[in-house]
This record gives sequence, C-alpha cells and structure tokens, in this order.
Amino acid sequence: GAVVSQHPSWVICKSGTSVKIECRSLDFQATTMFWYRQFPKQSLMLMATSNEGSKATYEQGVEKDKFLINHASLTLSTLTVTSAHPEDSSFYICSASDSGRQSSYNSPLHFGNGTRLTVT
Amino acid sequence: AQTVTQSQPEMSVQEAETVTLSCTYDTSESNYYLFWYKQPPSRQMILVIRQEAYKQQNATENRFSVNFQKAAKSFSLKISDSQLGDTAMYFCAFMRYSGGGADGLTFGKGTHLIIQP
Repeated sequence: GAVVSQHPSWVICKSGTSVKIECRSLDFQATTMFWYRQFPKQSLMLMATSNEGSKATYEQGVEKDKFLINHASLTLSTLTVTSAHPEDSSFYICSASDSGRQSSYNSPLHFGNGTRLTVT
Repeated sequence: AQTVTQSQPEMSVQEAETVTLSCTYDTSESNYYLFWYKQPPSRQMILVIRQEAYKQQNATENRFSVNFQKAAKSFSLKISDSQLGDTAMYFCAFMRYSGGGADGLTFGKGTHLIIQP
C-alpha cells in the first residue's frame, strides 16, 4: 500500500533554532500534502496545504513566516519551524494524496508517522 | 467553515461488546466525505472507514459500520465484537469535495475508547 515517510520521528532543539521536518511519498506522486499539528491529548489541527511548485496555503492563525513549507517535488514536502520556542513543542503529522487517482474518493489520504518536536 | 463534534471524550466497554461512537458535524457544503480514523498509542493515523455524502448506503468494513444521517448531520461509528486491539483514540473527520483531489481534514476532538478484557 501507499506509504508516507516522515523524518525525523522525534527531534529536540534549543529555543531560537530552526528545525526541518520532511514528508515523503514513497510509492506515489502527491501534488498536494497537508501538515497537521497535534498537542498532547488533543485533536489534529490542519496547519497548511502544501502544493507542489507553488506557495503553501496556510490556515487562519498559522504564521507562515514561522512555519515555512516547501514542496519542491511530487514526492517531498518539508516543514521548517523557524526560531522555535517551547510553545512550538508538539506532534507534527503530514498526509498526502495520490495524484494519480482521479477523484478524492479514490485517493485516500495517507498519513506519515509523525514527528515529535521538543523545544528546550 | 465546517465543525466536527464528538461528545464522548472517553468510553469503556467489555471485550466482545458492541460500542457506538457519536459524531455530528456542521457544514454548508453539499458534497463531502466523512471518515473515522483510529490513533493507537503509536500515534499512527489509521483509516477505519469512510463515507461519501452522496451515498445513502451506510459504509461497512468488517466489524466497523457507520450510521450516516445526512439531514441530521450525524455520522456514528459502530464497532461490533470489540477487541482489545480496538483500544485507541478515534477521530471523526470531514473533508469537503474539492473537485480535483483531496482537501484538508477537519477533525473532531476524539473519543478515547478502552476495551476491557
């Protein structure tokens, strides 16, 4: 089945530094990928939609200058948390849809395993 | 904008029992999809079942079935013959139909389901 690989699975960084998270579709092409954030014991919140070859679309309240998204190829999207602070500590999950399928129904969303970010 | 509401933060049942998780949603969209995802302690999101809004027939996947009431905007999940491995967080999710492909999901707050031996 379709696999989405997310790396790293966990990362610890110091306050003020930047950290990059990668989301790769391993056996399909994804023109669109999605980034979510999940705080402990809470739900997933959509942060942004990553579009291959164009600018990402951010949800209301998400700082685009802080959460930089790059989708340079059909199989890779990256999320960079810039100048990280302890309040950015969270679980970040990406998902991708198979662009080869013709309809939303036939292109189920595949989720990565997530990245646990801890900012000290 | 759409909202998804799961009113049961936690549920606990005995193994082999049947359990129903509730979900309601609000949207002005006429064409959309609904999903139930399972998130075990590993935090991997696992698709349990999905339903297209234009289909009247309720979706079924082995022990999992839904009761989709479009007019009432209700989408409950029934788990039959519950198993210990069903213990997890369950999220109800909404996705609007975007024409060309998938769209971002709106999730409910989740229900922590505990299956007791």
